[in-house]
Order: sequence, then structure tokens, then C-alpha cells
Amino acid sequence: RKEVEQDPGPFNVPEGATVAFNCTYSNSASQSFFWYRQDCRKEPKLLMSVYSSGNEDGRFTAQLNRASQYISLLIRDSKLSDSATYLCVVNTYGQNFVFGPGTRLSVLP
Amino acid sequence: NAGVTQTPKFRVLKTGQSMTLLCAQDMNHEYMYWYRQDPGMGLRLIHYSVGEGTTAKGEVPDGYNVSRLKKQNFLLGLESAAPSQTSVYFCASSRAPISGQYFGPGTRLTVT
Repeated sequence: RKEVEQDPGPFNVPEGATVAFNCTYSNSASQSFFWYRQDCRKEPKLLMSVYSSGNEDGRFTAQLNRASQYISLLIRDSKLSDSATYLCVVNTYGQNFVFGPGTRLSVLP
Repeated sequence: NAGVTQTPKFRVLKTGQSMTLLCAQDMNHEYMYWYRQDPGMGLRLIHYSVGEGTTAKGEVPDGYNVSRLKKQNFLLGLESAAPSQTSVYFCASSRAPISGQYFGPGTRLTVT
């Protein structure tokens, strides 16, 4: 089993839709969690950290379920500019960041 | 702040040639990383550093060497390039393991 797995996608949604991405991780000792976005032929950019209590940043909401070893990202009111690949990243203190394979999102006009 | 910069942006090498990729960050981060990204493989860690003068192997270190002589710079060397090293190379830095990483724009390397 891979350390970090994500919905394979791609997700094709109309503008204004709500879309959710899921991510599971295998190491129960993992301590920090992140979502990144990566545009085509660009570097990954940090979108948000994911906290145990859940956190929200504008249209984006991230949730963490430690018991199920599951992370989610919800995007509300999708914009064309949200089209990108979304990467789930997990870190276990003293070890390194492990990246999921990514889920591609296309927001259609 | 420039953040994380990488040079060069593109490079074509012939098999057996050597080169060095330079990463620089101006955020005073302790931790620096080198990744490669291949289609369908995601990001894989090559080497990393937890501070000036330290380096450690990541998931795919073979064929690469690194040095961190100054806190702000992290160099990735290919001593004898192989076609399997054709990839996009990203450098990243972070303040601490529990902080997020900041990436450079990448170097696209082709080995023929």
C-alpha cells in the first residue's frame, strides 16, 4: 500500500460547483498534513495546512480524521482558476514529507 | 523576497556528462530538499538537509550528490548523467518539519 493515496481523478466540474478530494495515509504516526496545488508545468504551491479541528480559508475547507487516517479538501463555488492538480502531503516528524500522486481538477465554463 | 530560486531553468546533457543544479532561498529556512518529478510518479525525494553542513539521503539518491556549505544554498550534482535522470527537478525549503514547504520553479533536465 502506498503511504499516501488520493482519488485518481480527473474531476471535471462546472463553474460554481462544489468538489471534494480525499486522501488517505498509512503511517499512523504522521503529524502534519498539507494540501498543495500544482499548475501545469509549474512548481507545487502550498494551499493550506490541515489541522485536527479542521480549517477553512475562503472557499477552501480542509478536514483531518486521524482515526481513519483520512484528509479531505472541499472547494466551494469553483472558479476556472481553481483548475490544477491538488497534492496531499503528509509529514511524520523526524522523517520527510510524502506526496500523494495528486488529483487533477478541471473547472469548465 | 525572491523565495526559492533555481538555476538553470532548462538543460540538455549527453549521457556521461556532469552538472550541478543550484538552489537558493532567502527565507532563512533550516530545511532544504531536492525532489524529482516524473509523469505518473509524483514527487520523489532525492536528498535533503536539516541545516548548514548536513545532508541526508531520500527515497531515490542513487546517481546524485548534494552539498549544503551555506545555509541559503543547496546544490545537487549529477556526476555522470544517464537518460533515466531526465526529469523535472524541484528544490524546496521549510522552516521546520511541521511547516509547509516552499518550492522553486524547477529545472527541466533532459539527458540524451
